[in-house]
Amino acid sequence: DAMVIQNPRYQVTQFGKPVTLSCSQTLNHNVMYWYQQKSSQAPKLLFHYYDKDFNNEADTPDNFQSRRPNTSFCFLDIRSPGLGDAAMYLCATSRVTGVNTEAFFGQGTRLTVV
Amino acid sequence: KQEVTQIPAALSVPEGENLVLNCSFTDSAIYNLQWFRQDPGKGLTSLLLIQSSQREQTSGRLNASLDKSSGRSTLYIAASQPGDSATYLCAVRLPGTYKYIFGTGTRLKVLA
Repeated sequence: DAMVIQNPRYQVTQFGKPVTLSCSQTLNHNVMYWYQQKSSQAPKLLFHYYDKDFNNEADTPDNFQSRRPNTSFCFLDIRSPGLGDAAMYLCATSRVTGVNTEAFFGQGTRLTVV
Repeated sequence: KQEVTQIPAALSVPEGENLVLNCSFTDSAIYNLQWFRQDPGKGLTSLLLIQSSQREQTSGRLNASLDKSSGRSTLYIAASQPGDSATYLCAVRLPGTYKYIFGTGTRLKVLA
């Protein structure tokens, strides 16, 4: 059973039109992450939550926002998508401490901006 | 600033070969290191997690080692199969944070 679920798998949006990507988890992990991955590049951390505490990376554009209404769900909002925002967006979760602090990823959402 | 490098960027091997993928990191202070597999257009699948106090982990045909002092990890794949073809990424978790820093991956192609 999928433990980190991202919807939709593919999203096409118009230039400048706000878009929201969603992520849910059944693992009850404290930490949730959003990564951006462009073709043949390493995943780049945009931000992460520890419970409700939001941690933004210094180089994440203001155009990207996130919400975590509860433990299970996390959303990525792109306020005004540009052509350069076309990428795979990956959601991940992990435990904070303990024996198994493995990170688990969803299947990703491929965003196309037209 | 922690940087993670994976060399080579791409690798082609005939089926049945044993192979080693390399991951280097610049700062030996890490919380853990994780190896992932990524198929084209898909998310990341966790393969092995090595805590900072461990030297290696094994799962089936996979064995990952960690040498923090030299800033290196290797992923050993035994008896490679065409189904192993994918991109393999390593990531280090920074101590005192929950952040994972990724390498750019090694694209592996196993030829039948």
